[in-house]
Amino acid sequence: GESVGLHLPTLSVQEGDNSIINCAYSNSASDYFIWYKQESGKGPQFIIDIRSNMDKRQGQRVTVLLNKTVKHLSLQIAATQPGDSAVYFCAENTGQAGTALIFGKGTTLSVSS
Amino acid sequence: NAGVTQTPKFQVLKTGQSMTLQCAQDMNHNSMYWYRQDPGMGLRLIYYSASEGTTDKGEVPNGYNVSRLNKREFSLRLESAAPSQTSVYFCASSRQVSNQPQHFGDGTRLSIL
Repeated sequence: GESVGLHLPTLSVQEGDNSIINCAYSNSASDYFIWYKQESGKGPQFIIDIRSNMDKRQGQRVTVLLNKTVKHLSLQIAATQPGDSAVYFCAENTGQAGTALIFGKGTTLSVSS
Repeated sequence: NAGVTQTPKFQVLKTGQSMTLQCAQDMNHNSMYWYRQDPGMGLRLIYYSASEGTTDKGEVPNGYNVSRLNKREFSLRLESAAPSQTSVYFCASSRQVSNQPQHFGDGTRLSIL
């Protein structure tokens, strides 16, 4: 069935390190993926998205990699800062008309200075 | 630039009471959504509205009703609140249902005693 999951529920890094947050998906028909950041007490905030015709997309300090062969998605954050501490969710969409995003359970990123 | 606005931010209800959560977006988006977020469960879709005049059930619709009042507003109603509906409720909107990022409000924290 359709599911989106993350490999690790928590990740702790030092300030300045690069962070990698992973996500596995099970539906090979999924063709659109998003990463969200959620800070305590706030709603999820869009970070970056990628379509299945790409394998890499870069934003400001963030890179999303998509490996369709093994159905794996990752979010890389360069030079992680304390302000990056949050819960990160991946989400997928199968592209079928009228279907909404399916969210994973989230990884908590803790950045220590 | 308000984005997605949810009211109220906090609410405490007694079992059996009714309540309507309000959501409005100012981005001229066609699609709107209601999610609940519980610890360790990620975001679960309650209902969504692909476009004005349509609504569809999500993953966990039981105990809820929705109204797409107009293009801007999408409300969620609990007719007879139960303790199991204690949660944080998020509203989101997007240009269309498929393959588009959703933009979230900051949530309504609802406790049912």
